[in-house]
Amino acid sequence: DIQLTQSPSFLSASVGDRVTITCRASQGISSYLAWYQQKPGKAPKLLIYAASTLQSGVPSRFSGSGSGTEFTLTISSLQPEDFATYYCQQLNSYPPTFGQGTKLEIK
Amino acid sequence: QVQLVQSGAEVKKPGASVKVSCKASGYTFTSYGISWVRQAPGQGLEWMGWISAYNGNTNYAQKLQGRVTMTTDTSTSTAYMELRSLRSDDTAVYYCARDRSEMIYDYWGQGTLVTVSS
Repeated sequence: DIQLTQSPSFLSASVGDRVTITCRASQGISSYLAWYQQKPGKAPKLLIYAASTLQSGVPSRFSGSGSGTEFTLTISSLQPEDFATYYCQQLNSYPPTFGQGTKLEIK
Repeated sequence: QVQLVQSGAEVKKPGASVKVSCKASGYTFTSYGISWVRQAPGQGLEWMGWISAYNGNTNYAQKLQGRVTMTTDTSTSTAYMELRSLRSDDTAVYYCARDRSEMIYDYWGQGTLVTVSS
Protein backbone atom coordinates (compact mmCIF):
# COMPACT_ATOMS: atom_id res chain seq x y z
CA ASP A 1 0.00 0.00 0.00
CA ILE A 2 1.10 3.57 -0.66
CA GLN A 3 1.96 5.44 2.52
CA LEU A 4 1.24 9.15 2.86
CA THR A 5 3.06 11.25 5.43
CA GLN A 6 1.78 14.71 6.27
CA SER A 7 3.78 17.46 7.90
CA PRO A 8 3.36 19.02 10.27
CA SER A 9 0.92 16.92 12.31
CA PHE A 10 -0.07 20.02 14.30
CA LEU A 11 -0.02 23.61 13.20
CA SER A 12 -0.86 26.70 15.21
CA ALA A 13 -1.68 29.83 13.24
CA SER A 14 -3.62 33.07 13.37
CA VAL A 15 -6.48 34.44 11.31
CA GLY A 16 -5.02 36.02 8.18
CA ASP A 17 -1.91 33.82 8.13
CA ARG A 18 -0.75 31.91 5.07
CA VAL A 19 -0.23 28.24 5.87
CA THR A 20 1.13 25.28 3.95
CA ILE A 21 0.68 21.60 4.67
CA THR A 22 2.87 19.00 2.96
CA CYS A 23 1.97 15.45 1.97
CA ARG A 24 4.65 13.01 0.85
CA ALA A 25 3.90 9.70 -0.85
CA SER A 26 5.99 6.56 -0.45
CA GLN A 27 6.04 6.16 -4.23
CA GLY A 28 5.12 8.29 -7.21
CA ILE A 29 1.42 8.91 -7.65
CA SER A 30 1.47 11.41 -10.53
CA SER A 31 -1.25 13.96 -9.67
CA TYR A 32 -3.64 11.47 -8.13
CA LEU A 33 -4.06 13.25 -4.82
CA ALA A 34 -7.00 14.80 -3.00
CA TRP A 35 -7.30 16.98 0.09
CA TYR A 36 -10.13 16.91 2.62
CA GLN A 37 -11.10 19.12 5.54
CA GLN A 38 -12.72 17.63 8.62
CA LYS A 39 -14.24 19.52 11.53
CA PRO A 40 -14.97 17.85 14.87
CA GLY A 41 -17.98 15.56 14.75
CA LYS A 42 -18.44 16.08 11.02
CA ALA A 43 -17.71 14.10 7.88
CA PRO A 44 -14.71 15.00 5.74
CA LYS A 45 -15.27 17.56 3.00
CA LEU A 46 -13.54 17.37 -0.38
CA LEU A 47 -11.44 20.46 -1.06
CA ILE A 48 -9.10 19.60 -3.91
CA TYR A 49 -8.61 16.67 -6.29
CA ALA A 50 -6.11 15.91 -9.03
CA ALA A 51 -3.59 17.67 -6.78
CA SER A 52 -4.68 21.17 -7.77
CA THR A 53 -8.32 21.21 -8.94
CA LEU A 54 -10.60 23.06 -6.57
CA GLN A 55 -13.86 21.29 -5.80
CA SER A 56 -16.95 23.33 -6.69
CA GLY A 57 -17.92 25.72 -3.90
CA VAL A 58 -14.55 25.68 -2.13
CA PRO A 59 -13.12 29.16 -1.52
CA SER A 60 -10.25 30.24 -3.73
CA ARG A 61 -7.97 30.85 -0.72
CA PHE A 62 -7.39 27.07 -0.84
CA SER A 63 -4.91 25.82 -3.40
CA GLY A 64 -3.01 22.64 -4.06
CA SER A 65 0.15 21.82 -5.94
CA GLY A 66 2.65 19.06 -6.57
CA SER A 67 3.10 15.83 -8.44
CA GLY A 68 5.00 12.60 -8.06
CA THR A 69 5.75 12.21 -4.37
CA GLU A 70 5.44 15.69 -2.87
CA PHE A 71 2.30 17.78 -2.57
CA THR A 72 1.18 20.88 -0.75
CA LEU A 73 -2.08 22.40 0.40
CA THR A 74 -1.94 26.15 0.91
CA ILE A 75 -4.47 28.40 2.58
CA SER A 76 -3.61 31.93 1.54
CA SER A 77 -5.36 33.85 4.33
CA LEU A 78 -6.76 31.81 7.21
CA GLN A 79 -10.35 32.42 8.16
CA PRO A 80 -11.93 31.36 11.47
CA GLU A 81 -13.86 28.55 9.76
CA ASP A 82 -10.63 27.01 8.40
CA PHE A 83 -9.47 25.68 11.76
CA ALA A 84 -9.92 21.95 11.29
CA THR A 85 -8.01 18.78 10.49
CA TYR A 86 -6.79 18.26 6.94
CA TYR A 87 -6.13 14.93 5.25
CA CYS A 88 -4.48 14.06 1.97
CA GLN A 89 -5.56 10.94 0.09
CA GLN A 90 -3.94 9.12 -2.81
CA LEU A 91 -6.14 7.86 -5.60
CA ASN A 92 -3.40 6.44 -7.78
CA SER A 93 -4.04 2.82 -6.88
CA TYR A 94 -6.10 0.57 -4.63
CA PRO A 95 -6.37 0.66 -1.76
CA PRO A 96 -6.84 4.41 -1.46
CA THR A 97 -4.93 5.62 1.55
CA PHE A 98 -4.98 8.75 3.68
CA GLY A 99 -2.34 10.73 5.45
CA GLN A 100 -2.40 10.80 9.23
CA GLY A 101 -3.89 14.30 9.28
CA THR A 102 -2.77 17.82 10.13
CA LYS A 103 -4.64 19.58 12.90
CA LEU A 104 -4.76 23.32 12.33
CA GLU A 105 -5.38 25.21 15.55
CA ILE A 106 -5.87 28.84 16.44
CA LYS A 107 -2.78 30.52 17.90
CA GLN B 1 -29.13 18.35 -3.70
CA VAL B 2 -27.04 15.26 -3.16
CA GLN B 3 -27.52 13.66 0.24
CA LEU B 4 -26.33 10.49 1.89
CA VAL B 5 -28.22 9.68 5.08
CA GLN B 6 -26.92 6.90 7.28
CA SER B 7 -28.59 4.77 9.91
CA GLY B 8 -28.24 5.46 13.60
CA ALA B 9 -25.64 4.57 16.19
CA GLU B 10 -25.18 0.94 17.20
CA VAL B 11 -23.79 -0.80 20.26
CA LYS B 12 -22.68 -4.38 19.72
CA LYS B 13 -20.96 -7.10 21.70
CA PRO B 14 -17.72 -8.67 20.52
CA GLY B 15 -18.39 -11.38 17.97
CA ALA B 16 -21.66 -9.83 16.79
CA SER B 17 -22.42 -8.29 13.39
CA VAL B 18 -23.55 -4.82 12.40
CA LYS B 19 -25.22 -3.58 9.23
CA VAL B 20 -25.11 0.13 8.44
CA SER B 21 -27.27 1.69 5.75
CA CYS B 22 -26.66 4.72 3.57
CA LYS B 23 -29.64 6.14 1.66
CA ALA B 24 -28.78 8.30 -1.33
CA SER B 25 -30.88 11.03 -2.89
CA GLY B 26 -30.45 13.91 -5.31
CA TYR B 27 -28.60 12.00 -8.03
CA THR B 28 -28.84 8.88 -10.17
CA PHE B 29 -27.77 6.20 -7.71
CA THR B 30 -26.52 3.72 -10.27
CA SER B 31 -24.19 6.26 -11.91
CA TYR B 32 -21.73 6.30 -9.02
CA GLY B 33 -19.99 3.94 -6.67
CA ILE B 34 -20.13 4.08 -2.89
CA SER B 35 -17.11 3.68 -0.66
CA TRP B 36 -17.06 3.10 3.08
CA VAL B 37 -14.47 4.79 5.27
CA ARG B 38 -14.12 4.42 9.02
CA GLN B 39 -12.51 6.51 11.71
CA ALA B 40 -11.60 5.12 15.12
CA PRO B 41 -11.89 7.59 18.04
CA GLY B 42 -9.23 10.27 17.72
CA GLN B 43 -7.68 8.54 14.72
CA GLY B 44 -7.39 9.05 10.98
CA LEU B 45 -9.40 7.78 8.04
CA GLU B 46 -9.33 4.17 6.89
CA TRP B 47 -10.82 3.01 3.59
CA MET B 48 -12.86 -0.16 3.96
CA GLY B 49 -14.08 -0.90 0.48
CA TRP B 50 -16.09 0.14 -2.55
CA ILE B 51 -19.17 -1.06 -4.34
CA SER B 52 -20.46 -0.19 -7.77
CA ALA B 53 -24.11 0.82 -7.54
CA TYR B 54 -24.37 -0.02 -11.24
CA ASN B 55 -23.49 -3.72 -11.17
CA GLY B 56 -22.65 -4.58 -7.55
CA ASN B 57 -18.94 -5.16 -8.13
CA THR B 58 -16.94 -4.80 -4.94
CA ASN B 59 -13.37 -4.15 -3.83
CA TYR B 60 -12.58 -4.65 -0.13
CA ALA B 61 -9.62 -3.70 1.99
CA GLN B 62 -7.44 -6.74 2.43
CA LYS B 63 -7.50 -6.55 6.23
CA LEU B 64 -11.31 -6.80 6.23
CA GLN B 65 -11.66 -9.54 3.61
CA GLY B 66 -13.96 -12.25 4.91
CA ARG B 67 -15.57 -10.02 7.55
CA VAL B 68 -17.14 -7.28 5.44
CA THR B 69 -19.88 -7.35 2.83
CA MET B 70 -21.13 -4.34 0.89
CA THR B 71 -24.40 -4.43 -1.01
CA THR B 72 -26.84 -2.06 -2.67
CA ASP B 73 -30.58 -1.93 -3.20
CA THR B 74 -31.18 0.07 -6.34
CA SER B 75 -34.95 0.11 -5.76
CA THR B 76 -34.42 2.28 -2.69
CA SER B 77 -31.06 3.89 -3.62
CA THR B 78 -29.53 2.48 -0.48
CA ALA B 79 -26.08 1.04 0.16
CA TYR B 80 -25.30 -1.30 3.03
CA MET B 81 -22.15 -2.30 4.84
CA GLU B 82 -22.15 -5.38 7.05
CA LEU B 83 -19.21 -6.13 9.33
CA ARG B 84 -19.09 -9.47 11.16
CA SER B 85 -17.13 -10.92 14.05
CA LEU B 86 -16.84 -7.51 15.62
CA ARG B 87 -13.89 -6.72 17.86
CA SER B 88 -13.24 -3.80 20.18
CA ASP B 89 -10.93 -2.22 17.62
CA ASP B 90 -13.86 -2.01 15.19
CA THR B 91 -15.27 0.75 17.38
CA ALA B 92 -15.37 3.71 15.03
CA VAL B 93 -17.51 6.15 13.10
CA TYR B 94 -18.40 4.58 9.77
CA TYR B 95 -18.95 6.84 6.77
CA CYS B 96 -20.34 6.16 3.33
CA ALA B 97 -19.11 8.41 0.56
CA ARG B 98 -20.06 8.85 -3.08
CA ASP B 99 -17.22 7.97 -5.42
CA ARG B 100 -17.55 10.59 -8.15
CA SER B 101 -14.76 9.06 -10.17
CA GLU B 102 -11.84 6.85 -9.31
CA MET B 103 -11.69 7.22 -5.56
CA ILE B 104 -12.64 10.90 -5.33
CA TYR B 105 -15.23 11.19 -2.56
CA ASP B 106 -17.34 14.27 -3.14
CA TYR B 107 -20.31 13.65 -0.84
CA TRP B 108 -20.30 11.92 2.53
CA GLY B 109 -22.90 10.59 4.89
CA GLN B 110 -23.12 12.04 8.39
CA GLY B 111 -21.42 9.01 9.91
CA THR B 112 -22.63 6.14 12.10
CA LEU B 113 -20.95 5.41 15.41
CA VAL B 114 -20.53 1.69 16.03
CA THR B 115 -19.39 0.82 19.53
CA VAL B 116 -18.16 -2.69 20.27
CA SER B 117 -18.12 -3.43 23.96
CA SER B 118 -18.89 -6.32 26.24
